[in-house]
Amino acid sequence: QQKVQQSPESLTVSEGAMASLNCTFSDRSSDNFRWYRQHSGKGLEVLVSIFSDGEKEEGSFTAHLNRASLHVFLHIREPQPSDSALYLCAVSRPNSAGNKLTFGIGTRVLVRP
Amino acid sequence: DTTVKQNPRYKLARVGKPVNLICSQTMNHDTMYWYQKKPNQAPKLLLFYYDKILNREADTFEKFQSSRPNNSFCSLYIGSAGLEYSAMYLCASSPGGARAEQFFGPGTRLTVL
Repeated sequence: QQKVQQSPESLTVSEGAMASLNCTFSDRSSDNFRWYRQHSGKGLEVLVSIFSDGEKEEGSFTAHLNRASLHVFLHIREPQPSDSALYLCAVSRPNSAGNKLTFGIGTRVLVRP
Repeated sequence: DTTVKQNPRYKLARVGKPVNLICSQTMNHDTMYWYQKKPNQAPKLLLFYYDKILNREADTFEKFQSSRPNNSFCSLYIGSAGLEYSAMYLCASSPGGARAEQFFGPGTRLTVL
């Protein structure tokens, strides 16, 4: 069964400083990786999706996938206080019925002005 | 419009009473999902509808029911709420395709007393 773990549990960064989040998964056949963000009391907002090794950039968010090492990273460039939120990593396997996502617990990010 | 709506946003229920949560989308997506999220836990898939076919996760099979009267609406039904059902319930919808995004609603926070 797929296991998804995220680190660190929480992260405090200063406004404008790069923030880096880590996600590890257990099933090397996984081919569908997404980073979501949840502001307090809100739904999940997809930030970036990545399907092959390498990098994918969406605005100030860059995902970096290395399937051999079972890692997918999220880098937040020049974060603002409004980027303070819970960041969730989600993974699915090929041909999984309904594209079922397995989520990590998340990393809570606080961006200080 | 990629909006997924959920009603109500907040629900207070008594132990042993039924609960019905509603989700709607107007994007003509063929798949709709329900997730449960508790504090400090990963979002957990409960069930999903692909068109009219309901798929329930094995470990929550008996605890949740769902119906999808038409393409736009999907409900989550708890026959007899217990304290352990207190959580945020997130609905998502997705168009067909192996790499299709899941679009999430704002969630319904259920508190069982």
